[in-house]
Amino acid sequence: DTGVSQDPRHKITKRGQNVTFRCDPISEHNRLYWYRQTLGQGPEFLTYFQNEAQLEKSRLLSDRFSAERPKGSFSTLEIQRTEQGDSAMYLCASLSTSTDTQYFGPGTRLTVL
Amino acid sequence: KNEVEQSPQNLTAQEGEFITINCSYSVGISALHWLQQHPGGGIVSLFMLSSGKKKHGRLIATINIQEKHSSLHITASHPRDSAVYICAVGDNTDKLIFGTGTRLQVFP
Repeated sequence: DTGVSQDPRHKITKRGQNVTFRCDPISEHNRLYWYRQTLGQGPEFLTYFQNEAQLEKSRLLSDRFSAERPKGSFSTLEIQRTEQGDSAMYLCASLSTSTDTQYFGPGTRLTVL
Repeated sequence: KNEVEQSPQNLTAQEGEFITINCSYSVGISALHWLQQHPGGGIVSLFMLSSGKKKHGRLIATINIQEKHSSLHITASHPRDSAVYICAVGDNTDKLIFGTGTRLQVFP
């Protein structure tokens, strides 16, 4: 099964540290989305890519957040100078344009101490 | 007011019961999605609807575009249906706006 994978699955960090997450989408999917989910809430959109181009960023994505998809395949999401409010599940999804269905990865759970 | 509202927030049922989860939205959409999320985070797409009704096994999803309302029905519910069910609407970029989810527990 070559579904969407995310790495790491869990990350515990101290406030002020930088963290980077990776998402590997399904290989033929050219759209990739990042979402953030806090406890008890539905996910919220952060940003998305069409191939290597970052086409939209949410206002939730402060200057401390940056995302890349350099070769139109895997994507990284970096958070600089982490804050306790950044603690959440970070979800990646890739889109099949033939079915308009988003396939979600297992998520990276970030805990900022 | 959230752009996507779900009700109820929590739902418990006995095995075999018919279950309905409702979703209302206030924005223009290209499609509405129903998703299932199990403990630990994994999200699976159940349905994508832009009109009418879809059925997959014991799951049925309907949408009324004029009323901006959708329902997810589960017939003959089973304990393995216990999960969080999330309604989400997609715009023309296919990014999703999610409801807060309905936590379903089905007891044997």
